Amino acid sequence: NAGVTQTPKFQVLKTGQSMTLQCAQDMNHEYMSWYRQDPGMGLRLIHYSVGAGITDQGEVPNGYNVSRSTTEDFPLRLLSAAPSQTSVYFCASSPRQGEAFFGQGTRLTVV
Amino acid sequence: GENVEQHPSTLSVQEGDSAVIKCTYSDSASNYFPWYKQELGKGPQLIIDIRSNVGEKKDQRIAVTLNKTAKHFSLHITETQPEDSAVYFCAATSYIPTFGRGTSLIVHP
Repeated sequence: NAGVTQTPKFQVLKTGQSMTLQCAQDMNHEYMSWYRQDPGMGLRLIHYSVGAGITDQGEVPNGYNVSRSTTEDFPLRLLSAAPSQTSVYFCASSPRQGEAFFGQGTRLTVV
Repeated sequence: GENVEQHPSTLSVQEGDSAVIKCTYSDSASNYFPWYKQELGKGPQLIIDIRSNVGEKKDQRIAVTLNKTAKHFSLHITETQPEDSAVYFCAATSYIPTFGRGTSLIVHP
């Protein structure tokens, strides 16, 4: 049982480039979410989804897009990378009001 | 939306001492309160959780208390060990968890 799989683990982008962070879960969870983790700031919610076809913005959505075409997958797109998006990104899945399972994280550097 | 405050940001204890981390939340609709431990280079993992119809829960050396009236909850770790050193996050959940900023716990041998 793989749980939550994130790819890639590390990525370096140039300012202005776009990319997609992949997230897949095999637990049939309704809810999926993306967080970014910066020193001293905890885990801040970027976007989340409560089911296939349904997404909503979190605390820090600007510069990111998401879609949820299947229960399993929840990719995060950076439209035009900026140095302020240098961070560690975590994808999580959970049943409603249940334990969140996290991926191993993607460390992104924008130069 | 939900707002979760967590204190302290850093906690340094001697092995064998107890450690207490406190959180407050703002949204009365939250009714699930998990605690996560994050080790270096890894994603957070659940260590204990509590639901709003329970005031206290214990699992070996770890306990969590919840005061729903005051909107605060706490993590208690007794007989700390060096392997307890990590970052701990509290969260309050109505749909998606909202996390506190984390507490870096350092246990000195």
